[in-house]
Amino acid sequence: QKEVEQDPGPLSVPEGAIVSLNCTYSNSAFQYFMWYRQYSRKGPELLMYTYSSGNKEDGRFTAQVDKSSKYISLFIRDSQPSDSATYLCAMSAKAQGGSEKLVFGKGTKLTVNP
Amino acid sequence: DSGVTQTPKHLITATGQRVTLRCSPRSGDLSVYWYQQSLDQGLQFLIQYYNGEERAKGNILERFSAQQFPDLHSELNLSSLELGDSALYFCASSGADLSPLHFGNGTRLTVT
Repeated sequence: QKEVEQDPGPLSVPEGAIVSLNCTYSNSAFQYFMWYRQYSRKGPELLMYTYSSGNKEDGRFTAQVDKSSKYISLFIRDSQPSDSATYLCAMSAKAQGGSEKLVFGKGTKLTVNP
Repeated sequence: DSGVTQTPKHLITATGQRVTLRCSPRSGDLSVYWYQQSLDQGLQFLIQYYNGEERAKGNILERFSAQQFPDLHSELNLSSLELGDSALYFCASSGADLSPLHFGNGTRLTVT
């Protein structure tokens, strides 16, 4: 079983739709959870960064973490064509020896159609 | 703008050659990470440096090496290049353990 699973999509929605992107994980040590947005031929851009279970909202974006189910989600409200990108989840934990363990999902490709 | 600068943006070279990719981290960030992203593949972690010292190693080939200099910029050296090394190479930086990474816009390497 992979440590982080993310459906690659592609996901295609009409403009204005609510988008739900999800990742599951197997390592209960993960403490920090991130969502990145990557436009074609660009570097991943940090969207959301959360620590605890629960919701965090930033404009049209809401990140949700359910540690008991090992499941994280990113919701996009009122989706726009400019939201068309690949979305990557990432999570981190302290590893043995004090270093950091950081794992990325493979990304979900989203297209928002006008 | 993430504040992480990568040069060059594009590189085209032949098999067997050697190239150097350069990264300047965000001001104040001590950690630098290198990732490889091939077409339709996820981010593959290569190596991390923290304040000049190697911190963690991922799936980095022996033909690849990296270093971080006293001014905190980093270089990734790729040698004996093969066609399969064609990819986007990203540098990222962070300020502390478990803080989020900030990525540059990558160097697109094409090996012909």
